[in-house]
Parts: sequence; C-alpha cells; structure tokens
Amino acid sequence: GENVEQHPSTLSVQEGDSAVIKCTYSDSASNYFPWYKQELGKGPQLIIDIRSNVGEKKDQRIAVTLNKTAKHFSLHITETQPEDSAVYFCAARKAAGNKLTFGGGTRVLVKP
Amino acid sequence: DTAVSQTPKYLVTQMGNDKSIKCEQNLGHDTMYWYKQDSKKFLKIMFSYNNKELIINETVPNRFSPKSPDKAHLNLHINSLELGDSAVYFCASSQGTSGKETQYFGPGTRLLVL
Repeated sequence: GENVEQHPSTLSVQEGDSAVIKCTYSDSASNYFPWYKQELGKGPQLIIDIRSNVGEKKDQRIAVTLNKTAKHFSLHITETQPEDSAVYFCAARKAAGNKLTFGGGTRVLVKP
Repeated sequence: DTAVSQTPKYLVTQMGNDKSIKCEQNLGHDTMYWYKQDSKKFLKIMFSYNNKELIINETVPNRFSPKSPDKAHLNLHINSLELGDSAVYFCASSQGTSGKETQYFGPGTRLLVL
C-alpha cells in the first residue's frame, strides 16, 4: 500500500519568514495530493491540493510543488503569521478508490 | 451551518464498556469516513461508506462496527472498549469516489478509556 513520509515533524519560524514542509510517497499510481491544516482542538481542514498533471499551484501565501518523477511534494508558506501555527498534514491518493494516506504531520510554530 | 458534525465531542468511559459516536453531514455528500488520530497525531482511515455501502475497511478490530442509516449519517459503535482505543475519532465526508474529491472533516470526538 501507499506510504507517505513527512518532514520535519516540528518547525519553528519567525513571523514573516517562510516555512517549507516536504513529503514523499511510495505508490507511483497516486495522483492527488492534498494538504490539511489542523488547529488545536479542531478537525483537519483542506488548505490546498495538487493533481498529478500539474507541477505547481499557488493560493496567496501558500504554494505546493509536485515532482512525480522523484515522488515528492512540498508545501511552501510565505510571510508566515502567528495564525499559521498549526499541525499540517500532507496526503496522497490513487485515482482508483478514495483512500487518503496521510503523512505523520508537521507542527508549525510561528513566533511573533 | 453546512458542516460535518459529531457527537459527543468528549467521551470518557471505563474499559469494557460499549459506546457509540454519531456523525452527520449536511453537505449532500454520498461518501463518509471514520479516521482515528492517535496521541502522536497520526491520522489513519478506519472505514468508508458510499451510499450506505461499506467500501473501505482497514483491518480494524471487529469490536468497531460502523453503521450508515442513510447517506447523511455514519455512526461508529465500539464494543468492549480497551485502553488502546483512546484517541480522537474524526468523521469526514466527500462527494463521489473517483479519488480526487475533497474530504471535509468533522471537529472530532475525543475518547478516553480508563
């Protein structure tokens, strides 16, 4: 089955700096890669996703890149703000079926 | 509000008891899921239902029995609770099963087994 690894497990950045989280996946058939943000005491919420026919996608301060050859994808947050502090999860899913396999999560702390 | 809702939010119980968690979504989705998040925040799917039919069962002990009375509801019943069942359980929903639909998560049910 699919295996998704996520690094780093914790990330502390100064407000205004950039944050980068990296994920690798094992199953080359995976073609959908969402990123979720989980705030304390809440459920994960989708913040951005990318499909395998696209190499990069951007939404305001958040961008995701995908390298299908190397089987890795990354989340980039620019101009970080204290409200970006949360746990971020990457995930991967095949075209067939709908099982999402999550990475282990990255706890991001943005220091004012 | 349109959302995925779960009850109860917190559940504290003794080992050996039987308990249920309820989930409802009013997003009009046809697929619902149960996930377990352990103390290290690791998220793992347990079950998925599409139009009330079980489509994913991830080697979960048979003490866990999901039930979907209709497309908008997916409940989770747990028999003979064990200490290791302590976790946060999330319900989610999506539309369709092509593999690219966004999954929307509920707020979670925090289960503590003593």
